[in-house]
Amino acid sequence: SQQGEEDPQALSIQEGENATMNCSYKTSINNLQWYRQNSGRGLVHLILIRSNEREKHSGRLRVTLDTSKKSSSLLITASRAADTASYFCATDAWGAQKLVFGQGTRLTINP
Amino acid sequence: DAGVIQSPRHEVTEMGQEVTLRCKLISGHNSLFWYRQTMMRGLELLIYFNNNVPIDDSGMPEDRFSAKMPNASFSTLKIQPSEPRDSAVYFCASSRGTVGEKLFFGSGTQLSVL
Repeated sequence: SQQGEEDPQALSIQEGENATMNCSYKTSINNLQWYRQNSGRGLVHLILIRSNEREKHSGRLRVTLDTSKKSSSLLITASRAADTASYFCATDAWGAQKLVFGQGTRLTINP
Repeated sequence: DAGVIQSPRHEVTEMGQEVTLRCKLISGHNSLFWYRQTMMRGLELLIYFNNNVPIDDSGMPEDRFSAKMPNASFSTLKIQPSEPRDSAVYFCASSRGTVGEKLFFGSGTQLSVL
């Protein structure tokens, strides 16, 4: 399937450190999106990167996309306890007519 | 903007009962997505509407599941009869455009079928 796969499945770091999460996918895409989900809540959109873009920033977030490797990374700099959540990548494949989510990375920021 | 509103927030029912989940889209959005989230399978797309028309229902598990969009701002997902394996969190999400646009999710309905 087109489903993206996040790596690692879980990540625990100290507050202030940077957190990097990776996403790999299988077929060509139109765009890739990252979402955050706090426990017991719905997903919240973080950033969208199109297939012709290589890097995008939003505040403390930096997303890269390497279409040749079919992979993306999400970097959160200077992490805070409030960043504790699950992070999902979602891909919009050519002709698929659907946004498919990966299994997510569970990020824990320790104070 | 109130965001996507789902009800009920929690639903506990017995096997065999009918369950109806409700979703109100954000005003001006024309696409509606129903997702199901479980630990084992993650987030699965069940069905996708655009301008009230079902575009892709290939993710609907069985005939026991049905979804409707009676108007541009409201949708229901019905399970009849419900089974314990239907226990999950059901999310609806809306967007301004089609599949490639960012999604706005509701808070979800936690369904438990006993």
